[in-house]
Amino acid sequence: QVQLQESGPGLVKPSETLSLTCAVSGYSISSGYYWGWIRQPPGKGLEWIGSIYHSGSTYYNPSLKSRVTISVDTSKNQFSLKLSSVTAADTAVYYCARRGILTGVDYWGQGTLVTVSS
Amino acid sequence: QSVLTQPPSVSAAPGQKVTISCSGSSSNIGNNYVSWYQQLPGTAPKLLIYDNNKRPSGIPDRFSGSKSGTSATLGITGLQTGDEADYYCGTWDSSLSYVFGTGTKVTVL
Repeated sequence: QVQLQESGPGLVKPSETLSLTCAVSGYSISSGYYWGWIRQPPGKGLEWIGSIYHSGSTYYNPSLKSRVTISVDTSKNQFSLKLSSVTAADTAVYYCARRGILTGVDYWGQGTLVTVSS
Repeated sequence: QSVLTQPPSVSAAPGQKVTISCSGSSSNIGNNYVSWYQQLPGTAPKLLIYDNNKRPSGIPDRFSGSKSGTSATLGITGLQTGDEADYYCGTWDSSLSYVFGTGTKVTVL
C-alpha cells in the first residue's frame, strides 16, 4: 500500500521560506509517476502547486512558479517543497500526492497545516 | 481563480440522485482525462473517478463519471448521508499544471 507523509514546520514567518518534505513508502519514486504538492487554504478549494517526475522534470502552477522549488531524493524515497517569500495568503493545509497521467491523483498524504504569522 | 467551474452546492434526499458538472475548455478537459475527488470533512481528498469514467477499487458503482467535449459530470445515485462531502474535478491543463474545479458541496436533505 502506497503511503505518503508530510513533515515540516507548522509555523513560518512572513517573507521566509516554507519547507516541507514528503516521505513515500510502499512504492519507489524511481519507478515512475509524478509526485506533487497541493494546498488548501482554510475553508477554500484545492490548489495544485507543482509536481516532479522521478527524472527530475518539474511542472509548476504558473501563479506560483516564481516562488516554488520541488526536488526529489530517490535515495531516501522522498520529495520536497520550498515556497519562498511567504505571506499570510500562503496559510493552508499542504498535501503531498502521487499523480498518474491516466489515474489522476491516486494517493494523498494526510496533510499538514502551515500557518504564516509573525 | 480555478479554470474549472462547478456549482457551489447540490442537494437531494436520501436515495435520490445528484449530478455535479465541471466546465472547462479545450486547454484542459477537452484534451485530457478527468478525475473526481471526494473530500469528507476534515480529511484528505480521495480519488473517486479517473480516466473520465473509471472507478478505483473499493469505490461503489453508485458513483459514475462522464465527459463530453469540454465538460464532465459526476453522478451519485442512491444518495447516503455518508456522501455529504465536497467534490472536486481535476485534469491536466496546457499551462503545464494540474487544475482543480471550484468544488461542490453535496448535502443530503
